[in-house]
Amino acid sequence: GAVVSQHPSWVICKSGTSVKIECRSLDFQATTMFWYRQFPKQSLMLMATSNEGSKATYEQGVEKDKFLINHASLTLSTLTVTSAHPEDSSFYICSAKYTEAFFGQGTRLTVV
Amino acid sequence: EDQVTQSPEALRLQEGESSSLNCSYTVSGLRGLFWYRQDPGKGPEFLFTLYSAGEEKEKERLKATLTKKESFLHITAPKPEDSATYLCAVADRGSTLGRLYFGRGTQLTVWP
Repeated sequence: GAVVSQHPSWVICKSGTSVKIECRSLDFQATTMFWYRQFPKQSLMLMATSNEGSKATYEQGVEKDKFLINHASLTLSTLTVTSAHPEDSSFYICSAKYTEAFFGQGTRLTVV
Repeated sequence: EDQVTQSPEALRLQEGESSSLNCSYTVSGLRGLFWYRQDPGKGPEFLFTLYSAGEEKEKERLKATLTKKESFLHITAPKPEDSATYLCAVADRGSTLGRLYFGRGTQLTVWP
C-alpha cells in the first residue's frame, strides 16, 4: 500500500508555544490530505481537510487560528498548533487518499 | 448526518475462539465502507474496503462482509497478535473523496 509518513511521532511542549506536525505522502501525490484528532478510547474526529494550493476546510468547532494548516506541495501538509495549552494534548493523525485512505503513524502531543 | 456504530466496545477471546465484530452505519449514499486495524500509539492500518451489499473480502484470519445497514468483521481462530482496536469507517458519496466517518472501534484482546 501507499506510505504516509508523519513527523514527529511524539512531542512535548510548554504551554503557550507552537508545534508543527508534518505529513508526507512518500510514493504518491496527494492533492487532498486530512487531519484527525483522537482522544483515548474515542473515535477519530476530522479536524480539517487540507487542499494543495488553497485554504484548508475546517470542521465545525475547530479553531482555524489555533490549528494552522499549510499544504504547500503535492506531498506535504503541515499542521501547526499555535499557543498550545494542555487541553490541546491529544493524538493527531493525518491521512491521504491513494487507492484508499492511508494514514500516518500519528503524533502524540503533550502540552505541559 | 452520517453515523457509524461499532459493537461490542471490547471483546476478549481465547486463542482459537472465533467471533465477529459489528459495524452499523447510516449514510445518505455509501461510497465505501472501510475496516482498519489500530495498534496502541499508531495510526490506522488499512484492512478492507467494501462497496456494495453482498460483497465479501478476506485476508488471512479476517473476513469482512457488507449488507445495506451493517458490516461484520469475522475473525477465525484468532491469535494473540490479532489483538488491536478495529475501526470501521464509511465514505459518503456527498463528501470529499477520502473523507471518512469513523466509529469508536472494538478493542480486541486475544489471550493464549
